[in-house]
Amino acid sequence: SQQGEEDPQALSIQEGENATMNCSYKTSINNLQWYRQNSGRGLVHLILIRSNEREKHSGRLRVTLDTSKKSSSLLITASRAADTASYFCATDATGSNYKLTFGKGTLLTVNP
Amino acid sequence: TAGITQAPTSQILAAGRSMTLRCTQDMRHNAMYWYRQDLGLGLRLIHYSNTAGTTGKGEVPDGYSVSRANTDDFPLTLASAVPSQTSVYFCASSPDSSYNSPLHFGNGTRLTVT
Repeated sequence: SQQGEEDPQALSIQEGENATMNCSYKTSINNLQWYRQNSGRGLVHLILIRSNEREKHSGRLRVTLDTSKKSSSLLITASRAADTASYFCATDATGSNYKLTFGKGTLLTVNP
Repeated sequence: TAGITQAPTSQILAAGRSMTLRCTQDMRHNAMYWYRQDLGLGLRLIHYSNTAGTTGKGEVPDGYSVSRANTDDFPLTLASAVPSQTSVYFCASSPDSSYNSPLHFGNGTRLTVT
């Protein structure tokens, strides 16, 4: 069963613009993580936000978490063509023995 | 560079045949995982191992088996492949099985069962 769901499914922007992707989930979580996947490659961990945190930054990435709405957002600022990839949220649901459940992903295309 | 090595990169397998997908990590991580990725379904956990000598079932374990004889290796075996097992298989590891451990992924094995 899918715990996290990303929105939109696909997003196309111009280089230099900001990209925002959203993730909604269904049950209480310990933490939420974002991963990136380039075509034909494995997933790469980007950032982890704990359930008691509301915002976290890492370079051009900003992640927010609203546990009351069971949602998170990933903002990539000043996007680059190299940011083109699929982005997945993964949740560690309470009682899951810390096993991550992934959403279906958002395909981001950054046009030069 | 350190990381996870998966083999083979891709494979075409006749239905009914068996196959073992190999996964080796050199990071001395305690926990390892097998996911399958299917278009429209995202990643789903097949089996996991919190530490050498232990394994557990994930969301979609039927038709698959795993073993964890040592820290570094976590092979996934399909005893009798079926077309619905056509997928991209990813092995992952994490330092431990706690909630603060992000996953490190291999580059996957693309399996086609005909």
